[in-house]
Amino acid sequence: DAGITQSPRHKVTETGTPVTLRCHQTENHRYMYWYRQDPGHGLRLIHYSYGVKDTDKGEVSDGYSVSRSKTEDFLLTLESATSSQTSVYFCAITGQGVNTEAFFGQGTRLTVV
Amino acid sequence: AQSVTQLGSHVSVSEGALVLLRCNYSSSVPPYLFWYVQYPNQGLQLLLKYTTGATLVKGINGFEAEFKKSETSFHLTKPSAHMSDAAEYFCAVRVSGGYNKLIFGAGTRLAVHP
Repeated sequence: DAGITQSPRHKVTETGTPVTLRCHQTENHRYMYWYRQDPGHGLRLIHYSYGVKDTDKGEVSDGYSVSRSKTEDFLLTLESATSSQTSVYFCAITGQGVNTEAFFGQGTRLTVV
Repeated sequence: AQSVTQLGSHVSVSEGALVLLRCNYSSSVPPYLFWYVQYPNQGLQLLLKYTTGATLVKGINGFEAEFKKSETSFHLTKPSAHMSDAAEYFCAVRVSGGYNKLIFGAGTRLAVHP
């Protein structure tokens, strides 16, 4: 299995509070991604990173920010959590070749109350 | 822009029956296509991928998929369903233009009954 760890695995937080999710990889892969999974929508890309301090927005980036200060760590922050951000969040990593697969973490289930 | 459509959010088959999960893609360039499986409370696991070459791709657990350019399809099949195949399946296409991003379909939940 690819070395990719998400923390925490479960979190309940209150509306309006900031939340940070962590993704840690041991594969030295260049590309890292944050997706959210919601019923009927599959996985949607929130943000991605193509190197240390190099990040960009995905299709559902509003209300989220990211940081990557080291190759192995990619942080996702919900600046002020809302109920619409209740979801399962997945981190993924992939190498540089276009035919390489993406490896996924186990997911973080976030509930905003 | 590239996109993926999975026909049927839920599919139910009997154990031993053929499994057919449909995926159609939209892409202006030759696509790289993937099927992933997700078991309950787990992350996604690669079943198979199409990059170039042979259009019939074999994956894990007896699954295979055929890339048909003329139909813009990449349907997933398995000749004989097993109870352990019950899961959610996602088709994905790699976005052209760099960074190896994936666009996913909405998913198909497969139920297998005795």
